[in-house]
Amino acid sequence: ETGVTQSPTHLIKTRGQQVTLRCSSQSGHNTVSWYQQALGQGPQFIFQYYREEENGRGNFPPRFSGLQFPNYSSELNVNALELDDSALYLCASFSSYGYTFGSGTRLTVV
Amino acid sequence: AQKITQTQPGMFVQEKEAVTLDCTYDTSDPSYGLFWYKQPSSGEMIFLIYQGSYDQQNATEGRYSLNFQKARKSANLVISASQLGDSAMYFCAMRERGDKIIFGKGTRLHILP
Repeated sequence: ETGVTQSPTHLIKTRGQQVTLRCSSQSGHNTVSWYQQALGQGPQFIFQYYREEENGRGNFPPRFSGLQFPNYSSELNVNALELDDSALYLCASFSSYGYTFGSGTRLTVV
Repeated sequence: AQKITQTQPGMFVQEKEAVTLDCTYDTSDPSYGLFWYKQPSSGEMIFLIYQGSYDQQNATEGRYSLNFQKARKSANLVISASQLGDSAMYFCAMRERGDKIIFGKGTRLHILP
């Protein structure tokens, strides 16, 4: 049990659809980051939220958006899904030394 | 340019032997942190060890140690007495200012019985 919970664990969507992935992090962890990990690759930074505001973004288009809520939960939204969006999406909350990761959501776009 | 470079896509090691996973990094920031994570087939990223750029001594955590050579910008992970359960992907990562973490492409480690 890492203290960071992601849902759902697996998801299949059709190209063009929209998806919302959810993450619940540990109480008091004000920073949450989202990563995309394509098969066989290292995780790529999507964006980061601190106290409900985005404070960092990687090289991802605007159709990737997020929200962070006061109860330390957060969402990743992806609009107009493309086949290349198929990946493992990881959420991480900031702890003393670094990030504690959830187990991820495996998204398949068909 | 790659900020984190892991040059070993895959490694095979006999059980009980020690193994070194290579990592070099590139940053101009004097304050940074280096991490190693283990990712089994289940997908979760498991934190192994952390080294701060100002730490004088190499970090150790049980069977894991980090060989930090600042001048060479390398942060190799050493696993002593490898076990079958160590078979997984291993990622080197760096945190610069702003708390975002950048990952390398990973090394797949296979422990042979």
